[in-house]
Amino acid sequence: KAGVTQTPRYLIKTRGQQVTLSCSPISGHRSVSWYQQTPGQGLQFLFEYFSETQRNKGNFPGRFSGRQFSNSRSEMNVSTLELGDSALYLCASSGYHEQFFGPGTRLTVL
Amino acid sequence: GQQLNQSPQSMFIQEGEDVSMNCTSSSIFNTWLWYKQDPGEGPVLLIALYKAGELTSNGRLTAQFGITRKDSFLNISASIPSDVGIYFCAVPLVRDKIIFGKGTRLHILP
Repeated sequence: KAGVTQTPRYLIKTRGQQVTLSCSPISGHRSVSWYQQTPGQGLQFLFEYFSETQRNKGNFPGRFSGRQFSNSRSEMNVSTLELGDSALYLCASSGYHEQFFGPGTRLTVL
Repeated sequence: GQQLNQSPQSMFIQEGEDVSMNCTSSSIFNTWLWYKQDPGEGPVLLIALYKAGELTSNGRLTAQFGITRKDSFLNISASIPSDVGIYFCAVPLVRDKIIFGKGTRLHILP
């Protein structure tokens, strides 16, 4: 069974730009969660999608958004990038009891 | 919001030594999770604790709820080089919305 895949793995953007990250969950998983990981704040929950609906949301500004498609693939979008958005963005898909994480997308904002 | 306090922040040990780390919160949780993250990868679930008082093992790893269920402990016996990484405790606030501690970075000295 293939694991969670995230694309791209690395991304460099400049302030003010917008970015879209993609996540393909494990086959059969319908829940996809997104996390931001930074050295200072650690792993922070962004949002979770289930059956194309946002089910849970963390405390991030509206510049961070996401969506989920009918095949459970998910995208997250960050608009008007700021330097502080530089982070590892992790996606996780959920089985019955646990979440399985992808390798992440490393976003650098210059 | 809810926070998990993880200690120590980092550990330097000799190969073969036993390791102990812990995580505390201000609330009672009925599920505690321990993850490990290797460089360039997403976190991987090591142990999930669902029953207070039970000792749960995964090879050389052992985890346990604290007495108050506001804390949890992870022990690694006879450490080996591949144990290097960051260990996170985590709890689910609601299904698929997990909060993480800041992590304990384990270093093994040659």
